[in-house]
Amino acid sequence: AQKITQTQPGMFVQEKEAVTLDCTYDTSDPSYGLFWYKQPSSGEMIFLIYQGSYDQQNATEGRYSLNFQKARKSANLVISASQLGDSAMYFCAMREPLDSNYQLIWGAGTKLIIKP
Amino acid sequence: GAGVSQSPSNKVTEKGKDVELRCDPISGHTALYWYRQSLGQGLEFLIYFQGNSAPDKSGLPSDRFSAERTGGSVSTLTIQRTQQEDSAVYLCASSRTRPGDEAFFGQGTRLTVV
Repeated sequence: AQKITQTQPGMFVQEKEAVTLDCTYDTSDPSYGLFWYKQPSSGEMIFLIYQGSYDQQNATEGRYSLNFQKARKSANLVISASQLGDSAMYFCAMREPLDSNYQLIWGAGTKLIIKP
Repeated sequence: GAGVSQSPSNKVTEKGKDVELRCDPISGHTALYWYRQSLGQGLEFLIYFQGNSAPDKSGLPSDRFSAERTGGSVSTLTIQRTQQEDSAVYLCASSRTRPGDEAFFGQGTRLTVV
């Protein structure tokens, strides 16, 4: 079964609009971490934001925020006031215990294109 | 070093040859991951190291693929008898191992099998 599901293979959004990228996850462990990464066409993987399973508040980093709904097991990334430079692949990942270590598990990604 | 270093950055090889890809993780990072990424696609998990051991090798696509890590540091991914479908970018990442520890990625090795 998929551990991390990103249901939107691609999205087109008008510049300056807000955009929500979906991510749902599956784990039975109470301790886990959720990450979002951005991969522009240059290929580098850029860490954006982190949410811990015990965090009471939704994580925010500048224009990025994470809409964490624990009961629904969703961790959607919200980008406010999108910019042309936000065009990239976006990956959601989860770290959960594996033999007391925490392995990263990745979603398939969403390709976001910002239109001028 | 300051970041995860991968070498070579580009490799063109003939079908049937063996190749070795190297990853030098961030000092002190005990977890190391290898991924494969085809153009415009997601990350395909290959193998995960914790120290020198590999608790998860489930992603290696065939017995032509192997990886090792020595001294809890440098890792090499070896592909024997390369095939054209092995052409991809091979990404290495390292991290500490607590829940909140982000993974740091290298720039990748672009492998082209001709």
